[in-house]
Formats: sequence, structure tokens, C-alpha cells
Amino acid sequence: NAGVTQTPKFQVLKTGQSMTLQCAQDMNHEYMSWYRQDPGMGLRLIHYSVGAGITDQGEVPNGYNVSRSTTEDFPLRLLSAAPSQTSVYFCASSYARQGARETQYFGPGTRLLVL
Amino acid sequence: AQKVTQAQTEISVVEKEDVTLDCVYETRDTTYYLFWYKQPPSGELVFLIRRNSFDEQNEISGRYSWNFQKSTSSFNFTITASQVVDSAVYFCALSEPLSGNTPLVFGKGTRLSVIA
Repeated sequence: NAGVTQTPKFQVLKTGQSMTLQCAQDMNHEYMSWYRQDPGMGLRLIHYSVGAGITDQGEVPNGYNVSRSTTEDFPLRLLSAAPSQTSVYFCASSYARQGARETQYFGPGTRLLVL
Repeated sequence: AQKVTQAQTEISVVEKEDVTLDCVYETRDTTYYLFWYKQPPSGELVFLIRRNSFDEQNEISGRYSWNFQKSTSSFNFTITASQVVDSAVYFCALSEPLSGNTPLVFGKGTRLSVIA
């Protein structure tokens, strides 16, 4: 049981490049979400999904796309990277039933540097 | 609107001291959940505790204890006899399950340094 996995662990991009951050979970969780962590800002929600085929925006969605074609995977795409997207990105998952949904289990994070 | 405030940005204590991390939240809902997560220097986020709004009993787990007081909208976290391994950033978080699908709103975290 690997829990929540994220790849890559670290990535350097040039401004304007695109890339996909991968997230997978093997706990059969319906709920998946992406957060970014910036110094002094805590974690802020980018996008989330309540199940395959369903996604929605969080607090800071601009510049990011997501899709959820399977229960296990929830990739985050940066369409045209900007220095403001330099951050640590965390993927999280949980069960969707009320009362359990809120306990999010996090992946190890992806550290992204945009030059 | 929901909001979580961790007023202590950084705390430094000497090993074996007790330390309390404060968390104050704002919500209009009567049903909500509160959480604490630990982020050690290695960077991962570790779930510590979840408490629902209908359970005001204090919780103790080893050297960790949590004090939930609805009257003051606080959910404080105390580490007794702190150890160097407790050095981490600690996040308090809030969820309102009936107000939408947003999973968690985090405070900005408190960085705890335990000095040997």
C-alpha cells in the first residue's frame, strides 16, 4: 500500500514551458486535491475532484488544469509556467463520505522551480 | 467564510519544556472539523488529529494533547516534554462539510524549534 505518490520530486522549468505533475493513490479514495505551499502562506487549494470525471476549482486555480479520468490518478498541468508558480505542490486524497472526507492524506510533495 | 489563524509564526523551546501551539478558527457552521498536521524538515505532511464540532472532549496521545473550546473558537495543541524530533511546522486546518466541497482551509503554520 503506497498511499499517495507524486512524481517528480523536483523539477526546474523555464518560463513558458509546460509540464504535468503526477499524483496517484491506491486507497480507492474518491476525493483528490492539489495544494500549493508557499512560505508564510500555508497551503492553498488549487483544484479538487470528488470522483472520476468531476473536477472543480479551489482558491488559486489560475494557470493550472486538472482532469480525473480514473479514481487513482489526478494529474496537475501547468500550461505555461511562470516564476509565480515556483512552489511546493502537494496532492492529497480522502474518502468522500461525509465525516471521512475531511481527513486528507498527503503525498510527499513536488518542489517546482520556474526560472 | 472560514478562516484559521495561527498567530505564532515561530516558537523556540529548550528540550523537555512544554509548548502550546495556538489555533483560532472562524466559521458560521455548526458542523465542522478541525485538524492538526505536522510537517517535519523532510517536507511531508503528517496527519495528527481530527476533531468534529460536536466533540469537545480533550484528547491526549502520548506527549500530545489537544484542547478544543468552542466558546473561544480555539483548538490548541500542547506538546509535553518536547523533544528535538518535535521540531517541525505545525498546521491547523478547518473543514465545513455542509458548506461545499472545499476539503480543507489551512492556517499559515507555526514553526517549532526544539533545542537540545
